[in-house]
Amino acid sequence: DAGVTQSPTHLIKTRGQQVTLRCSPKSGHDTVSWYQQALGQGPQFIFQYYEEEERQRGNFPDRFSGHQFPNYSSELNVNALLLGDSALYLCASSRSYYEQYFGPGTRLTVT
Amino acid sequence: AQRVTQPEKLLSVFKGAPVELKCNYSYSGSPELFWYVQYSRQRLQLLLRHISRESIKGFTADLNKGETSFHLKKPFAQEEDSAMYYCALSGGRDDKIIFGKGTRLHILP
Repeated sequence: DAGVTQSPTHLIKTRGQQVTLRCSPKSGHDTVSWYQQALGQGPQFIFQYYEEEERQRGNFPDRFSGHQFPNYSSELNVNALLLGDSALYLCASSRSYYEQYFGPGTRLTVT
Repeated sequence: AQRVTQPEKLLSVFKGAPVELKCNYSYSGSPELFWYVQYSRQRLQLLLRHISRESIKGFTADLNKGETSFHLKKPFAQEEDSAMYYCALSGGRDDKIIFGKGTRLHILP
């Protein structure tokens, strides 16, 4: 089991563009959470998906949206990118909520 | 407000010396507390959580509800302990996890 995988590893986008990040959970996990980690900060919770629905959401604008597929994989979409969206985006999967396993992250740079 | 505070950005400790990484939290209720660790070029991983009362890699953490603290301790630092450490809390099952800003632990030879 490769654990949680994320793609792409790095991404460079221009202000105003849209981006989609992908996450495949660890085998046997059905819940996916997304976090944004800005430089020098701890991860900040964006939202969590379970049974293909958004179960919980952090304090992020509607420009951030997501999706979970029947195979439990997930996407994070960000519209109208701002310079401040530059960060490491982490995906974490779990079966029981506390046992969150993190992926390596996608480094997004907005220019 | 729900908040996790790690007052030290960087902590340098000599090998063999005791380590204490400080963590204070603010939460109305009884949260679950965790410590996560990120070694160089590795992904973020759970180190320990207070409900399991385990000692992982020689680290322990005691929840002090009166002082709202969850400090991470190890009696004798090892070079392989150098890493980024994040204190975190959750309101309970299925609740979001709130992280502190992290403390970089640097073990000096």
